[in-house]
Amino acid sequence: GNSVTQMEGPVTLSEEAFLTINCTYTATGYPSLFWYVQYPGEGLQLLLKATKADDKGSNKGFEATYRKETTSFHLEKGSVQVSDSAVYFCALTPYTDKLIFGTGTRLQVFP
Amino acid sequence: ETGVTQSPTHLIKTRGQQVTLRCSSQSGHNTVSWYQQALGQGPQFIFQYYREEENGRGNFPPRFSGLQFPNYSSELNVNALELDDSALYLCASSSTDSSSYNEQFFGPGTRLTVL
Repeated sequence: GNSVTQMEGPVTLSEEAFLTINCTYTATGYPSLFWYVQYPGEGLQLLLKATKADDKGSNKGFEATYRKETTSFHLEKGSVQVSDSAVYFCALTPYTDKLIFGTGTRLQVFP
Repeated sequence: ETGVTQSPTHLIKTRGQQVTLRCSSQSGHNTVSWYQQALGQGPQFIFQYYREEENGRGNFPPRFSGLQFPNYSSELNVNALELDDSALYLCASSSTDSSSYNEQFFGPGTRLTVL
């Protein structure tokens, strides 16, 4: 079946530190991969996506590369800010009908 | 461009009652999906509507039902509420008519509490 596994949180960092949040997936076929971010009390915002192997999605300093050989889509940012504190969800869609999410990783950034 | 809106923001019901949640899709989007997000969990797909028909369903019982209207807005109805239905209900819209057809844009959600 299709599934997404994310690293357990919380991830606690100081401002300007390097961020990596690991995400691996299991899927049939060639899914599209996404990172969504959820700020406290809000819905989900699409952060970035990649639709095929070796694609790199990027937005607001965040990046993730679609690695088919390792079935991974790790999220990275070179220098985090306090405002990046949120819950990050990795997700895939094998078709257009539904998104399959991981359990989320909480990021806490301290000044 | 108007984003996805949901109403109400919060709702408190008692076990056994029925509830209707509403969603207006983003301008230009023709597909609506609903998700349930329990506290501390990732969202779980409930179902999707396209052209007023159900177009895929997750592992939810029939007491979860929905509608899509000609203007692409949607309702989620839950009958015979159970305590475990307490969650954040998220609506997402997308378009089959663009190069970003598999991108779903989410509303702020409705927080349902069942007592």
